[in-house]
Amino acid sequence: EDKVVQSPLSLVVHEGDTVTLNCSYEVTNFRSLLWYKQEKKAPTFLFMLTSSGIEKKSGRLSSILDKKELFSILNITATQTGDSAVYLCAAHSPLPSGTYKYIFGTGTRLKVLA
Amino acid sequence: SAVISQKPSRDICQRGTSLTIQCQVDSQVTMMFWYRQQPGQSLTLIATANQGSEATYESGFVIDKFPISRPNLTFSTLTVSNMSPEDSSIYLCSVGPGGWETQYFGPGTRLLVL
Repeated sequence: EDKVVQSPLSLVVHEGDTVTLNCSYEVTNFRSLLWYKQEKKAPTFLFMLTSSGIEKKSGRLSSILDKKELFSILNITATQTGDSAVYLCAAHSPLPSGTYKYIFGTGTRLKVLA
Repeated sequence: SAVISQKPSRDICQRGTSLTIQCQVDSQVTMMFWYRQQPGQSLTLIATANQGSEATYESGFVIDKFPISRPNLTFSTLTVSNMSPEDSSIYLCSVGPGGWETQYFGPGTRLLVL
């Protein structure tokens, strides 16, 4: 059965700290991995990773994918209280029917203290 | 990107009743997804709705409980039928404009069943 596992489940840090969030996956037919930030209801898109070893960066956030070891990490440097959220990763999996689906991980709940 | 609206944004319902959630997209999309997020949990895919065909349900979800309509390429509804307190969740619709693009989420519907 396809699954995506994130660690840690929750994390409390102080402003200015750097955090690394982990996402491992076991998906039969893997195409790409996505990271989302969820603050209230709707997840907002952060990154999509399709190739191994190529870092994607957006401000203080960066992410990389390792398709050999089947994992991805999301780094946040110089954390701020506004980074407090649940961070979700999802594996994009094409299906034989020609459609596709996304398998979500359990999420990491990050709290940044002032 | 796609702009998605959902109605209602929240509701409180009595057990045994049904609620229909609407999802509207500002552009034509092939695939629409319905997710459930129970308190403290990650996103669980309920079904995938393609225009012009029956929805495809994930294991553990059935059409009698969660009937879905997809009358055109910009609109879908999910009905939660014969509700019980266990159906209290956030329900999210999302769209995937294409196989290689990310998916975008609607603002979600927060449902409480008493």
